[in-house]
Amino acid sequence: GAVVSQHPSRVICKSGTSVKIECRSLDFQATTMFWYRQFPKQSLMLMATSNEGSKATYEQGVEKDKFLINHASLTLSTLTVTSAHPEDSSFYICSAKSIDRSHEQYFGPGTRLTVT
Amino acid sequence: EDQVTQSPEALRLQEGESSSLNCSYTVSGLRGLFWYRQDPGKGPEFLFTLYSAGEEKEKERLKATLTKKESFLHITAPKPEDSATYLCAARKTSYDKVIFGPGTSLSVIP
Repeated sequence: GAVVSQHPSRVICKSGTSVKIECRSLDFQATTMFWYRQFPKQSLMLMATSNEGSKATYEQGVEKDKFLINHASLTLSTLTVTSAHPEDSSFYICSAKSIDRSHEQYFGPGTRLTVT
Repeated sequence: EDQVTQSPEALRLQEGESSSLNCSYTVSGLRGLFWYRQDPGKGPEFLFTLYSAGEEKEKERLKATLTKKESFLHITAPKPEDSATYLCAARKTSYDKVIFGPGTSLSVIP
């Protein structure tokens, strides 16, 4: 099956610092990757859609200068949370859409970010 | 407005007690209805994609069905290891974003 990895799985950082989360599709190419945020006992909220080689499209209410997304290749997208604050603490999940498997979307295991 | 809702919010079953989870959608021009399973602290695990009304797919104790307005995830003789949150999601076009429902938290008691 299609595998998507995320790194790191957990990160704790101090308020004001920046954190980078990597999302990789391991056995397939993904022209489109998505970044979601999930609060406890809530569903996934789409933050942005990134297409390889172009700028990400952000959902309404998501600050593009705070959540920097780079989709440098067909297998890698990164999310950088800049100047993190405690309210940015959340579970961040990426997904990748396979171009050769009926456009199905596969999710990574998630990254737990805690800002102290 | 495109929307996906799920019911019930939470479901508690005895082991072996079959039931169904509901997903209702108002998405014009549906191009894919997805079911995922999510365990606590983990990313969603893909289960099924349904594309047209009348379509059914099965995997072990799970069967997903689709009508023009809703989808059902039937769980036959569930086991404790089926306990998880089940997410439903809909997509308008092959290149559009996926809209998630709020999920149903399933607990299967031994």
